[in-house]
Amino acid sequence: EVQLVESGGGLIQPGGSLRLSCAASGFTVSSNYMSWVRQAPGKGLEWVSVIYSGGSTYYADSVKGRFTISRDNSKNTLYLQMNSLRAEDTAVYYCARGRDLIVVDYWGQGTLVTVSS
Amino acid sequence: DIQMTQSPSSLSASVGDRVTITCRASQGISNSLAWYQQKPGKAPKLLLYAASRLESGVPSRFSGSGSGTDYTLTISSLQPEDFATYYCQQYYSTPRWTFGQGTKVEIK
Repeated sequence: EVQLVESGGGLIQPGGSLRLSCAASGFTVSSNYMSWVRQAPGKGLEWVSVIYSGGSTYYADSVKGRFTISRDNSKNTLYLQMNSLRAEDTAVYYCARGRDLIVVDYWGQGTLVTVSS
Repeated sequence: DIQMTQSPSSLSASVGDRVTITCRASQGISNSLAWYQQKPGKAPKLLLYAASRLESGVPSRFSGSGSGTDYTLTISSLQPEDFATYYCQQYYSTPRWTFGQGTKVEIK
């Protein structure tokens, strides 16, 4: 059974850093397209970043230069390092497995990041 | 970036009603469109992709259509478990996916 379990969210001050983790089971992270998608409170979905099976990475303009997506193949885990956090980064962050780079077929339960002083 | 605009932003309907939600892209996306359902406090669930292909396990009362810039999601007979928020997503400009702002389907 495919499972994605995020962790690492919490309350952080503006300008701070946080690292989110997504532990996967039932499939191999390194063989799939893995993304982070976020949802601000009461708002819609926003794609944040993706890492391809080959290792290429892409970012939304809103986070480029501040966020870094990576994976640890030995732990079958996806990460999102978030630096220079802003109030507008406050959201539930979902780890997501992309199918054929077109849709998300599995989502984690989400982890809430709150950026506030 | 390709902008996705859904309408309406919310609607009220009764069990058994036929419901249609529209999604318009800011440029042609060649049927590179998916629909998701999200219930409060839960992750989204994939319903359809390629504009009209039903994801495995999704009830056949859900259908999709459209071409070019305009797409629709139709629920043929609304069931109690269908009250949720629906999002369209374009993947024409993959990996830079964009989503619509959502349509909340509420009980009338």
